[in-house]
Amino acid sequence: NAGVTQTPKFRVLKTGQSMTLLCAQDMNHEYMYWYRQDPGMGLRLIHYSVGEGTTAKGEVPDGYNVSRLKKQNFLLGLESAAPSQTSVYFCASSSGGVGKQYFGPGTRLTVT
Amino acid sequence: GQQVMQIPQYQHVQEGEDFTTYCNSSTTLSNIQWYKQRPGGHPVFLIQLVKSGEVKKQKRLTFQFGEAKKNSSLHITATQTTDVGTYFCAGREGTALIFGKGTTLSVSS
Repeated sequence: NAGVTQTPKFRVLKTGQSMTLLCAQDMNHEYMYWYRQDPGMGLRLIHYSVGEGTTAKGEVPDGYNVSRLKKQNFLLGLESAAPSQTSVYFCASSSGGVGKQYFGPGTRLTVT
Repeated sequence: GQQVMQIPQYQHVQEGEDFTTYCNSSTTLSNIQWYKQRPGGHPVFLIQLVKSGEVKKQKRLTFQFGEAKKNSSLHITATQTTDVGTYFCAGREGTALIFGKGTTLSVSS
């Protein structure tokens, strides 16, 4: 039981490049979330999903897209990376909308 | 939208001293969750409070939910070096959690 895993752990992009971050969970959770964490800013919700095939915008969705084609996977895409997207990205999942969230280890992304 | 504010932003204590972080919401919360993030790590769930005036303890940690369900606190008695990290509160808004900016605790022995 691996819990929540994220791929890759680190990535450096040039401005304008695209990439996809992968989150996978093996707990059969319905809800999945993408957050970004910046120094002094706490955790800010980018997008979330309440089930396979559904997605919704969070607090800071601009510049990101997401997909939830399979229940266990939640993908975060950056179509044209900008330096402002330099951050640590955390994925999380929960069994219900009100329960505790399980976080992955994070992806540290630098955009130059 | 809902805002969750946490104070202080940073706190340094000597090992053995007590520590408290406070969380305040601009709106009434249905529940509040607390998470701990060790340096270089990811947030880990500590507890959820649901009832007005609720108090829960986990060993040296005491969590309180205000009577009006708009504030909460985490108190650590006799801190240890293992308590180092950032403590976040999070209030629920619909199906999403709104996190405070966290309180970073450092402990010197």
